[in-house]
Amino acid sequence: EPEVTQTPSHQVTQMGQEVILRCVPISNHLYFYWYRQILGQKVEFLVSFYNNEISEKSEIFDDQFSVERPDGSNFTLKIRSTKLEDSAMYFCASSDGLKDRSNQPQHFGDGTRLSIL
Amino acid sequence: GEDVEQSLFLSVREGDSSVINCTYTDSSSTYLYWYKQEPGAGLQLLTYIFSNMDMKQDQRLTVLLNKKDKHLSLRIADTQTGDSAIYFCAERKRGKLIFGQGTELSVKP
Repeated sequence: EPEVTQTPSHQVTQMGQEVILRCVPISNHLYFYWYRQILGQKVEFLVSFYNNEISEKSEIFDDQFSVERPDGSNFTLKIRSTKLEDSAMYFCASSDGLKDRSNQPQHFGDGTRLSIL
Repeated sequence: GEDVEQSLFLSVREGDSSVINCTYTDSSSTYLYWYKQEPGAGLQLLTYIFSNMDMKQDQRLTVLLNKKDKHLSLRIADTQTGDSAIYFCAERKRGKLIFGQGTELSVKP
């Protein structure tokens, strides 16, 4: 069964550094998402992306964050100048865009654990 | 408001049924989902239900939706030790999912 894959599984970065989290969505999907889960807290929506542009973003997704679809297979989340509070599990998800997207479930990757020191 | 609530823990014996409950606040949500997370793994989609349905059954899983009370439940029949995991309910609001805090299901032999 097709999967969403994320790399790396664990990223350790010094505070203030930039980090790029990578995702390969399911190949025929057209809608892409990033979520994060701070330890002990709920999974929170960050951003959704369709047709090479952001379709929705949360309050968390400020100027420090950006997303990109650099080629036909990858979807990346960049965090500039990381802060301690950015430490979390980051999940990528994708959903089928060939049908009405409102009824297509989102499929998640295994996540990247980001640790900021 | 956007809030989805679940109880944090549930413990059952192997072979019993498990019922995991969830309440949500947005009556305009179109779809509601159940995801499973095993240790060290991602969120695995288990099942989902459209808001105009009140029940959906898929093998050992039964989802019940009470739209009036904004209450969703997931029943797992004949619970096995392999069902031990964290279960998240989520409501869909436009394109994004709003998650509960997850219910940790512990299955004792």
